[in-house]
Amino acid sequence: KAGVTQTPRYLIKTRGQQVTLSCSPISGHRSVSWYQQTPGQGLQFLFEYFSETQRNKGNFPGRFSGRQFSNSRSEMNVSTLELGDSALYLCASSPKTGRVTGELFFGEGSRLTVL
Amino acid sequence: GQNIDQPTEMTATEGAIVQINCTYQTSGFNGLFWYQQHAGEAPTFLSYNVLDGLEEKGRFSSFLSRSKGYSYLLLKELQMKDSASYLCAVGSTSGGSYIPTFGRGTSLIVHP
Repeated sequence: KAGVTQTPRYLIKTRGQQVTLSCSPISGHRSVSWYQQTPGQGLQFLFEYFSETQRNKGNFPGRFSGRQFSNSRSEMNVSTLELGDSALYLCASSPKTGRVTGELFFGEGSRLTVL
Repeated sequence: GQNIDQPTEMTATEGAIVQINCTYQTSGFNGLFWYQQHAGEAPTFLSYNVLDGLEEKGRFSSFLSRSKGYSYLLLKELQMKDSASYLCAVGSTSGGSYIPTFGRGTSLIVHP
């Protein structure tokens, strides 16, 4: 069974630009969640989607948004990029939403550098 | 809000046993998880505790005390490949939403 796939793996943007990251979950998994990982803050929850609906949201500004398609693939978008947005963005999928088992299957991430 | 504390770094010898502690403060507790993350790789799930007690899985065990807001991950018969970051994460529910909160991770260095 193929794992979670994230694209692109690496990208460089400049301040003020916007970026879209893509995530394909494990086949059959309907929950997709996104995380930002930085050396200073660790791994922080951005949001979770299940059946095309945002179920949960972390404490991030509105510049961070996402969506999920009917095939469970998900995208996240960051607008008006700031230097502090430089991070590894991880996507994780799960067969169930939220609280049930907690086991998340992570992709290898998209490393964003903002110059 | 949620607060999770775990040591930043630990070192241990191959073949030994190491215990990584995690303390947390949260409302609406809904399970505690441990993940392993090798440098440059994705985190991988190790264990899940929702009730008090010890969960054993091979060389790895995880313990939870909800009343103390405390958990530990125990790694036995350490191998060089166990050198990695170990993330403690707490799930909590608030207003019908489920939010996972991760600690900053404990970097474990296993030396010969």
